[in-house]
Amino acid sequence: AQRVTQPEKLLSVFKGAPVELKCNYSYSGSPELFWYVQYSRQRLQLLLRHISRESIKGFTADLNKGETSFHLKKPFAQEEDSAMYYCALSGVSGSARQLTFGSGTQLTVLP
Amino acid sequence: ETGVTQSPTHLIKTRGQQVTLRCSSQSGHNTVSWYQQALGQGPQFIFQYYREEENGRGNFPPRFSGLQFPNYSSELNVNALELDDSALYLCASSGDRGFDTDTQYFGPGTRLTVL
Repeated sequence: AQRVTQPEKLLSVFKGAPVELKCNYSYSGSPELFWYVQYSRQRLQLLLRHISRESIKGFTADLNKGETSFHLKKPFAQEEDSAMYYCALSGVSGSARQLTFGSGTQLTVLP
Repeated sequence: ETGVTQSPTHLIKTRGQQVTLRCSSQSGHNTVSWYQQALGQGPQFIFQYYREEENGRGNFPPRFSGLQFPNYSSELNVNALELDDSALYLCASSGDRGFDTDTQYFGPGTRLTVL
């Protein structure tokens, strides 16, 4: 079974402060992990995927297989980063690749 | 390239009724997945279709069924609606090649309320 855990439902930081959104996963195979973001009144959209090893909007995430974690980090938070963030794991279900989501973390960046 | 669209935006039904939700995938994407997102929760996988065949299913009963058509449109049907079916229903499409294979692009969702 695959599972994604985001331990913080709510997270508030001040503008310019570092931010880390935690994500832990459970999966028996080789995981593919993603961070999706949902800004207010917008659809769910891909922020980044671990396989690309890219930085989007200043966010990075490193897959740590030993700790089964994929935490999202940004050194200096901006007010426009306020949104709901979901960590997701892509795993196999039958012939399908399904996404298993965590319950999300609502990030609020205070002025 | 157009994005994923869903209709209707909102829907209200009563317990026991049947509902059909519609999705139009991103052009060129042969895979569509449906998710249920209850309030305060992350999306939960219902099933996936590839080239008009169901190829994977989450932990949902058979009264949740789907169809996919050759023109990149698809449907989610729910029979015998229950109060707990009230949720946001999301569809997501993904492609066959390279980066697009595992990246799912989401529609805006249909908010279903069952009274």
